[in-house]
Formats: sequence, structure tokens, C-alpha cells
Amino acid sequence: DGGITQSPKYLFRKEGQNVTLSCEQNLNHDAMYWYRQDPGQGLRLIYYSQIVNDFQKGDIAEGYSVSREKKESFPLTVTSAQKNPTAFYLCASRTNKAGQGNSPLHFGNGTRLTVT
Amino acid sequence: GQNIDQPTEMTATEGAIVQINCTYQTSGFNGLFWYQQHAGEAPTFLSYNVLDGLEEKGRFSSFLSRSKGYSYLLLKELQMKDSASYLCACYMEYGNKLVFGAGTILRVKS
Repeated sequence: DGGITQSPKYLFRKEGQNVTLSCEQNLNHDAMYWYRQDPGQGLRLIYYSQIVNDFQKGDIAEGYSVSREKKESFPLTVTSAQKNPTAFYLCASRTNKAGQGNSPLHFGNGTRLTVT
Repeated sequence: GQNIDQPTEMTATEGAIVQINCTYQTSGFNGLFWYQQHAGEAPTFLSYNVLDGLEEKGRFSSFLSRSKGYSYLLLKELQMKDSASYLCACYMEYGNKLVFGAGTILRVKS
């Protein structure tokens, strides 16, 4: 079955370390997204990518970096510059075809990152 | 800028009907999604509106008024499993991205 896989489900890191969260999809979607969710809050957009080798900053990109070398993969690196990295991170994808504005986002199951 | 507002919390009784409102002020708006999210899980898609009017899907319906910048999600015959957070999200055609509201936590009591 097609879907989005995020790994690991739980991740623990020490302050000052960079950490990379994995996101892989086999839905053949062009567009991929990273969101962050803090307790009791909605989803905030970190980075997104419409096609391979291209990506744009979202609303809270500072302290994060991404790459999009393959259509299936959109890893997110949380750098030591991110001041408050502990959060629930969600990766999503959707089709990018013209006229597909009603295509919903498909989400992975998320990675809960704890930095101490 | 973008501004999406939803009530923070709502409580309703099993078997009843509840309406969750969402108001938005966004540039480049071209559609509104509703998602359900249980605690600790990923959001799941419920409905999409791009034209004014009501879309019905079983126990769930969603309404949109583009001129008023207003949407609501209507849940009928509430069940305990409907206790979750409900997220309103605006589709921004420029950038092909969704911008989410903070979500409404719905508690269904027996």
C-alpha cells in the first residue's frame, strides 16, 4: 500500500546536536511538506518542496534545513540553532498536478523529538 | 498575512450535533480543508470545500462562505470516538500549501 513513512517514531537528542528526521513516500507525489506541532497547537509549516531539487521556507524555517534529492524523500535536519526543537514533527505530501487543488495532504505518523 | 481562527475547546454530548466554526483572512485562498487529529496521531482528512455551500459526507458536513471568510464543520450523532482535535486549513494556491488553524479540541461526554 502507498503511504508516507517517518522514522523514528521517538527521537531523543542532547542540546547542541544536529538531528535528521526521515520522510519517505511512495505515492508518487511531487509536493512534500514538513510541519511542526507543539502541545495544544495547530500545525506550523517549516519547509516545503514542489519538485525535486527545489524547496521553499515556510513560516518557521529558522534553525531547520531540508534537501530534496529524490522525489520520494524529504529529510529534515533540526540544527543546534533551533532554539526550542522539542516538538511533534509531521511530514506530508500531495499531488502537484494542475487542477488538483482539492487533493488533500497525506500525513506520515510523525516523529516526536525530545531535546534535553 | 494569514489569520485562521477556531474555538480552542468545545464539549458536546454523545448523540448530539456540534458545529465547529472557522474564520479566515488569507490572501490567495482557494479552498478549505478539515482534518481530524487524535492525540499523538497524524491528522486525517475529513472534507474539502472550494465553492460556497454545504458538502455532506455521512455524519460529517462542511460549509463554506468565501465572501464571509467562514466555514464550519458539522458533526451529527456524536460518538465517543469523535473526541479529537479538528483542524481547519486554508489552501493557498500560491505555493501550493496548506495553512492550518490552531485546532479545536472536541470532548464528547456520555
